[in-house]
Amino acid sequence: EAQVTQNPRYLITVTGKKLTVTCSQNMNHEYMSWYRQDPGLGLRQIYYSMNVEVTDKGDVPEGYKVSRKEKRNFPLILESPSPNQTSLYFCASSLPPSTDTQYFGPGTRLTVL
Amino acid sequence: SQQGEEDPQALSIQEGENATMNCSYKTSINNLQWYRQNSGRGLVHLILIRSNEREKHSGRLRVTLDTSKKSSSLLITASRAADTASYFCATDAYGQNFVFGPGTRLSVLP
Repeated sequence: EAQVTQNPRYLITVTGKKLTVTCSQNMNHEYMSWYRQDPGLGLRQIYYSMNVEVTDKGDVPEGYKVSRKEKRNFPLILESPSPNQTSLYFCASSLPPSTDTQYFGPGTRLTVL
Repeated sequence: SQQGEEDPQALSIQEGENATMNCSYKTSINNLQWYRQNSGRGLVHLILIRSNEREKHSGRLRVTLDTSKKSSSLLITASRAADTASYFCATDAYGQNFVFGPGTRLSVLP
């Protein structure tokens, strides 16, 4: 089954404790992206990747890191999480984004205390 | 950034009625997409309309695009309770950076 998976689905952590949210897709998509969703703000793009070893900042990259060492994986790293990073996070993938739809993962609900 | 804005923010209708929601954006785009999100879940793609298209249909969905007004509308005909969800438009200006609007929350009452 074609899908985007994220882990963990739920995470409660404390300020400053490094964490990684994994994202994996099995559709051989070149384009992958991370979003955060906050009430009243919709989805805001954090980082995106056009292909392996190619990443770029979205609208809200501060406090986040990403890497794209393999085509299928695109982990999101919070080196020193803060309470303002409490949010619902989505990973998405697609073929070239201007010609195709984005497939979203189920989301990761992160709470930073 | 060129954020899309959906209107209205919330919409409540009876089953069987039509639902119309609008999206406005700020800069030129390559395409515009509509997505649906059930509460707290991932987004599901509904329809993509390219900048050189004016109207597109998919089942009970009808999307229009007016590039001169930088706006799009999504019409859901004969709505059902299962259509209750949030609907987002997303614009893609340069093939790299998608921008989503804050969404329209649709409630379809039985």
